[in-house]
Amino acid sequence: EIVLTQSPATLSLSPGERATLSCRASQSVSSSLAWYQQKPGQAPRLLIYDASNRATGIPARFSGSGSGTDFTLTISSLEPEDFAVYYCQQRSNWSFTFGGGTKVEIK
Amino acid sequence: QITLKESGPTLVKPTQTLTLTCTFSGFSLSTSDMGVGWIRQSPGKALEWLALIYWDDDKRYSPSLKNRLTISEDTSKNQVVLTMTNMDPVDTATYYCAHLLYHRSGTHAFDIWGQGTMVSVSS
Repeated sequence: EIVLTQSPATLSLSPGERATLSCRASQSVSSSLAWYQQKPGQAPRLLIYDASNRATGIPARFSGSGSGTDFTLTISSLEPEDFAVYYCQQRSNWSFTFGGGTKVEIK
Repeated sequence: QITLKESGPTLVKPTQTLTLTCTFSGFSLSTSDMGVGWIRQSPGKALEWLALIYWDDDKRYSPSLKNRLTISEDTSKNQVVLTMTNMDPVDTATYYCAHLLYHRSGTHAFDIWGQGTMVSVSS
C-alpha cells in the first residue's frame, strides 16, 4: 500500500501570506494525486485533481504541482476562509490512500 | 446538481454488521464513467478510503478491510449500500459516500461528498 506523508503537520500563518503544503508518496503515483480541504464539522471539498487541475469553482489562489512522489499545494494569499485541514489522496494499483493532513491555522 | 446522502444506524454493538445506504441524485450509476466511493474518518483522525463501485459493477476495496466489506448498488433506487461485518469500537467514525470524478485518462478523485453519518460502536 502506498503511504502518503504530509508536512508540516501544522502551518501557522497570517491572512495574506503564502502557504506551501507538501505531500510525499512512498512510491510513484505518477500524477494521480488530489488535494482536499476540510473544515470542522464539514465534509471534505475537492480542490485539486491529477496533481495540478483545479476542481470546479475552486479559486485561482489554490494551485497544485508535482509528479511521481513529491507534490505541493500552494495557496498564494491566504483568505480567512482558507484556515482548515488539507489532505492529499492518491489512487494507484486500484487502491486509494489519504495523507495524514496538514492543519493551516491562524498565527 | 449532484447530491449524496448517507443513512444508517448511529449506534451498533461490537460484532454486529453495519449497513449504510448512500442515496444520490443528479447522476446514474448505470451511466458510463460513474462511480461512488465510501470513506470514513475516526474522530480527530485522517480520512480512510473503504470501497468504490464503478458504473460497470466493478468493485474495489481497501486491502486492510476487504474481508469485512461489501459494496453494492441498487440502480433503480439510485442507492449504493456498504456493509461492514464484525464491527469493533475502533470502527467508530463518520462515514461518507462520495461521487467519483473519473476520466479514462486515469483521473480518480472524489468531487462531491455527502454530509456524512456518524456511527458509534459500543455495547
